[in-house]
Amino acid sequence: KNEVEQSPQNLTAQEGEFITINCSYSVGISALHWLQQHPGGGIVSLFMLSSGKKKHGRLIATINIQEKHSSLHITASHPRDSAVYICAVRSGATNKLIFGTGTLLAVQP
Amino acid sequence: GAVVSQHPSRVICKSGTSVKIECRSLDFQATTMFWYRQFPKQSLMLMATSNEGSKATYEQGVEKDKFLINHASLTLSTLTVTSAHPEDSSFYICSATGLAGGSSYEQYFGPGTRLTVT
Repeated sequence: KNEVEQSPQNLTAQEGEFITINCSYSVGISALHWLQQHPGGGIVSLFMLSSGKKKHGRLIATINIQEKHSSLHITASHPRDSAVYICAVRSGATNKLIFGTGTLLAVQP
Repeated sequence: GAVVSQHPSRVICKSGTSVKIECRSLDFQATTMFWYRQFPKQSLMLMATSNEGSKATYEQGVEKDKFLINHASLTLSTLTVTSAHPEDSSFYICSATGLAGGSSYEQYFGPGTRLTVT
């Protein structure tokens, strides 16, 4: 079992839909990152969370430390949101990032 | 936000040659830099961690003589793939941590370098 699990693996949505991507982890962490990777490969850091909730534009990220779970929400989705979204946790033991396998999101016009 | 750049973005080289990839933190001092490798449709795999002025720490299974890492300053790290072979073809991503914007030690990612060895 992977230490960081994401669901779903693939997601297709219609433009305007509300999207949720989930991340569960099984290790002790000091922080959790949500990353976005476009087809060209470059990675953009969307959020770094250690507790609670953060919002940036149409993106919202939440984390529940007790349940070891985080969600990334996209409101009013747009085709330009199409990308791979990666959850990564910073191990409290090693201080290294452990990556989920990613969620491939396709938003259709 | 803080920016990490990589150069080149794409490189094609012949088998047996060496290739150097640069990673720079543009607006903050990177105390630690990480080098990752990503195969198609897979997640990032940590290759090594480097702190400025120190030798890099390599992950298990990564050949340190093949993947030479130099963290020469607080804004520059280089990865040299020596005697490259086709199986070294991959997407290489660097990442840096440091105090950016006076807030917290976040990890910033470079845009990646696609290496193709022919």
